[in-house]
Amino acid sequence: EVQLVESGGTLVQPGGSLRLSCAASGFIFGSYGMNWVRQSPGMGLEWISYISNSGSTIYDVDSVRGRLTISRDNAKNSLYLQMNNLRDEDTAVYYCAREGSSGSLDHWGQGTRVTVSS
Amino acid sequence: DIQMTQSPSTLSASVGDRVTITCRASQSISRFLAWFQQKPGKAPKLLIYKVSNLESGVPVRFSGSGSGTEFTLTISSLQPDDFATYYCQQHNSYPWTFGQGTNVEIK
Repeated sequence: EVQLVESGGTLVQPGGSLRLSCAASGFIFGSYGMNWVRQSPGMGLEWISYISNSGSTIYDVDSVRGRLTISRDNAKNSLYLQMNNLRDEDTAVYYCAREGSSGSLDHWGQGTRVTVSS
Repeated sequence: DIQMTQSPSTLSASVGDRVTITCRASQSISRFLAWFQQKPGKAPKLLIYKVSNLESGVPVRFSGSGSGTEFTLTISSLQPDDFATYYCQQHNSYPWTFGQGTNVEIK
């Protein structure tokens, strides 16, 4: 069974840093591209970043570029999101999601909550 | 960036109703369109990929159609478990983008 489990979300002050993790199991992690998607309170879904299976290709949305950085460790079956210079508007539930063979986000974790507030 | 616009934003319906949600892209996305269902406090769940392909385990009352810039999600006979928020998403080009969501509520 495919499982994705996020961790690392917490309360952090504006300008602070945080690293989110996503532990994967039940599939060959190194064969799949992975993504982070976030959802602000009461709002819709926002895709923020993609990393290819090897880690050699990364795409992200303009609003996070230079502050939120995706990475992965295939030996540890783990995906990461390094979050620097956090802003109030980064407050959200962050989901990791697998890009399936169809190109769609076919499996999601349960999410981890990040709150940016002083 | 490609803008995805869903309509309606809220839909009130009864069990057994046929329900249709529309998603419009600001430019052609070929067939790179997926539909997700999300319930409060839960992660989104993939329902349909590449416009009309049902994800494994998804009931056949869900169907999708369209191409280019206009797409629809149809629930043929609404069931109690279907009251949720539905999102379309394009994966034709980065940044991937979602529609704003359609809340299907009990009438």
